[in-house]
Order: sequence, then structure tokens, then C-alpha cells
Amino acid sequence: DSGVTQTPKHLITATGQRVTLRCSPRSGDLSVYWYQQSLDQGLQFLIQYYNGEERAKGNILERFSAQQFPDLHSELNLSSLELGDSALYFCASSVWSSSTDTQYFGPGTRLTVL
Amino acid sequence: AQSVAQPEDQVNVAEGNPLTVKCTYSVSGNPYLFWYVQYPNRGLQFLLKYITGDNLVKGSYGFEAEFNKSQTSFHLKKPSALVSDSALYFCAVRDQGGGSQGNLIFGKGTKLSVKP
Repeated sequence: DSGVTQTPKHLITATGQRVTLRCSPRSGDLSVYWYQQSLDQGLQFLIQYYNGEERAKGNILERFSAQQFPDLHSELNLSSLELGDSALYFCASSVWSSSTDTQYFGPGTRLTVL
Repeated sequence: AQSVAQPEDQVNVAEGNPLTVKCTYSVSGNPYLFWYVQYPNRGLQFLLKYITGDNLVKGSYGFEAEFNKSQTSFHLKKPSALVSDSALYFCAVRDQGGGSQGNLIFGKGTKLSVKP
């Protein structure tokens, strides 16, 4: 158990809908990262927050957004969902935002868009 | 741009034999390299990392990795494989450039299958 929690574990929804994925980092970790894992794209970085502020952005669609709250938990919002958004979404956390920090991953949320 | 390559989609090993999962990298600065393992329906678990220092890095569950700067490789090894090591292994490098600085860039993964 990495200490990173994600809810829900599974999510099934329809095209055009909006969903929110939640992540609680390890105790004491200030950075939260979101990744998407799909069969065709592999593991891809979406976005990072550090102590409440956006720190880095990857291949995140404009339909997707995230935020980190004062208690350091983070939410990833996916809107106008398409079939291709079906994937496993991982949250990871690290103590700081240093290049040498280890990122610890949560169990993921499996999103299925029908 | 930083990148990682895992040339083998699958590695098959007999239990008790040594195993190697290959990884090569391309970075513009210092290479910060990581190995993670993913079991079915589970998240990624951290195994080990190379930041600096000794080229042989020891990690969890008896795994180790050898950093080779001249060959730009970071192969994962274990002296004696277990059936329970069967999983998907990912090599990753820390992105140190541009707007996505700090995140991990992953290889495509190598499926390790250990047969009894």
C-alpha cells in the first residue's frame, strides 16, 4: 500500500457526461500528479500540482481540468466525455517537486465511457 | 526531448533463473531513472531509482538495476526469479525540460512471465 488513495475504483458513464476523480496523497506529500494509462497511448502525464498551485502540464485535453485543495487532496475533472477517454487514471504524490523525488502511485480509477 | 525505450514487449523466464528487463534512455541533462512494477488491477509500485552515485542500485523485492552511462541503459535485474514476479514492468525517466518538468516519462512496459 503506497498510502495514496483514489476514489472511485471504477466509473462507468456515457459519452458527453462529466466525472470527477479524487485523490488523497500520502501524508506529508505536497505534490500530486495525474497520469492516464491507455492501451494505445501507454502511461502519459496529464498535470501536476504542488501545494495548491499548478506546477506542470502534460498532454491534458482542454476538456480536462484539475485542482488541489488546501488539505492537499486533488480532483481531476473530465467533461464532455468521449469513448476514447476510457482509461485507467492514476494519481501519484511526492514530498516536494524535485526531479529526484520518488512518486508513489495510487491504485487508479478505471473509467469506462459507453 | 527525454525518452525511454523498453525493447522487449515480453520476457519469459523459468523460476529460479536470473532475469533481466531492458531499458535504454535519452536525456538532455542528468538522467534520473526509475523502475516501477504493475500487478494486474493494481497501481504502480516503486522498485528503485538512480539519481547519482553507484551504478548498481538495489531496490525492493530483491531487484536491482545497473546504470550504464556509455550505453545509456538502466536494465532491471534479479538473480533468481519467482513466479510472483510475473507482472508488467515500467522504466521511467524524469522529464527535466519545458512545461512538464518534474513528471515521469514512461516506457511502454515489459510483461515479465515467470514459469514454474
